[in-house]
Amino acid sequence: SQQGEEDPQALSIQEGENATMNCSYKTSINNLQWYRQNSGRGLVHLILIRSNEREKHSGRLRVTLDTSKKSSSLLITASRAADTASYFCATDAIGSARQLTFGSGTQLTVLP
Amino acid sequence: SQTIHQWPATLVQPVGSPLSLECTVEGTSNPNLYWYRQAAGRGLQLLFYSVGIGQISSEVPQNLSASRPQDRQFILSSKKLLLSDSGFYLCAWRRALGNQPQHFGDGTRLSIL
Repeated sequence: SQQGEEDPQALSIQEGENATMNCSYKTSINNLQWYRQNSGRGLVHLILIRSNEREKHSGRLRVTLDTSKKSSSLLITASRAADTASYFCATDAIGSARQLTFGSGTQLTVLP
Repeated sequence: SQTIHQWPATLVQPVGSPLSLECTVEGTSNPNLYWYRQAAGRGLQLLFYSVGIGQISSEVPQNLSASRPQDRQFILSSKKLLLSDSGFYLCAWRRALGNQPQHFGDGTRLSIL
């Protein structure tokens, strides 16, 4: 079963707007990671946030983690057409032997 | 720097034929290695992972198998492909210790006819 579940499944915004994607999970984690996938390509790692961290930034990306609610969000600010891709959260659950469990992803479309 | 190579990029095979997909990692030692399958528009399903040479753990019962004959080589195989084996197969690696991301190859699109 999927550990992380993203919301919404699809998001369409105008260039320059912010995009927010949410992820919920079920078990205790070592860390939570966000990945991006362009159509037909492999996944690219964006950000890893540890269970003892609450917020992390990388360029235009901001990730938050609320372990009490078992949820995370990914914010992309000032979006660009090139940000169009699928975004996945993945959880590294405690006791999982460092495997990742991926959600089904959010398809983000940024319109020029 | 580390790189991961996965081939072929696309493959069309008839039902009942064998399969061999190869993945190699360069620039690191003793990585954890992973094979995933991704159905269209879906997330990734972990098929196999390996923490060392000859050490393979299977997550999903199926007609696929994996082998790790060398430290940085991971092979996905099947003796007889089924229609349901169609999909996008991804190989990934990560450093063994600590909180680490996974790094993915470009994937193999497998179509079974």
